[in-house]
Amino acid sequence: AQRVTQPEKLLSVFKGAPVELKCNYSYSGSPELFWYVQYSRQRLQLLLRHISRESIKGFTADLNKGETSFHLKKPFAQEEDSAMYYCALGGDSWGKLQFGAGTQVVVTP
Amino acid sequence: DTGVSQDPRHKITKRGQNVTFRCDPISEHNRLYWYRQTLGQGPEFLTYFQNEAQLEKSRLLSDRFSAERPKGSFSTLEIQRTEQGDSAMYLCASSLEREGNIQYFGAGTRLSVL
Repeated sequence: AQRVTQPEKLLSVFKGAPVELKCNYSYSGSPELFWYVQYSRQRLQLLLRHISRESIKGFTADLNKGETSFHLKKPFAQEEDSAMYYCALGGDSWGKLQFGAGTQVVVTP
Repeated sequence: DTGVSQDPRHKITKRGQNVTFRCDPISEHNRLYWYRQTLGQGPEFLTYFQNEAQLEKSRLLSDRFSAERPKGSFSTLEIQRTEQGDSAMYLCASSLEREGNIQYFGAGTRLSVL
């Protein structure tokens, strides 16, 4: 069965500290992984996807098929990174996404 | 184009009433998705359209739910005989097939069933 697990509901970090959001998935096919972010009072928006292999707002994520993980990392957290982050799994040809439960990140000064 | 538009933003209804939500996707996006999100959870897939064809429905979508996308443009999601368990945020997303699976989300319609 297709599943996305985000083990941390809340992550509180100090400004300037590294932050890592964990995401593990289970999928029998070829996965496509995404991180979506929702800032306060804003709509859900794409942060990054694994196939683009780029850094967005200082965030990176590497797909590890051996560990079935797609953890999101940023070396120095900023206050504007405070938001809800969702890991999402695609893979079907027509793009249905399976979301994790989300991790709330709070960056304190 | 201001992105995916959903209407209404909030809907309060009494149990047993019917409600209908509308989603206007980004122009030229041929794929349209409906998701439902409850408190503390991520969005859960409900149904998907490619142009006007509804290609998949989740088991979450009971027979009280129906979705349409006439002419392959806007879509409507109707819930008949609402129940308190239907209270949730209903999200619409659209994508362009040639862009792969990048989905653009609307702000959602929050439904409260009293």
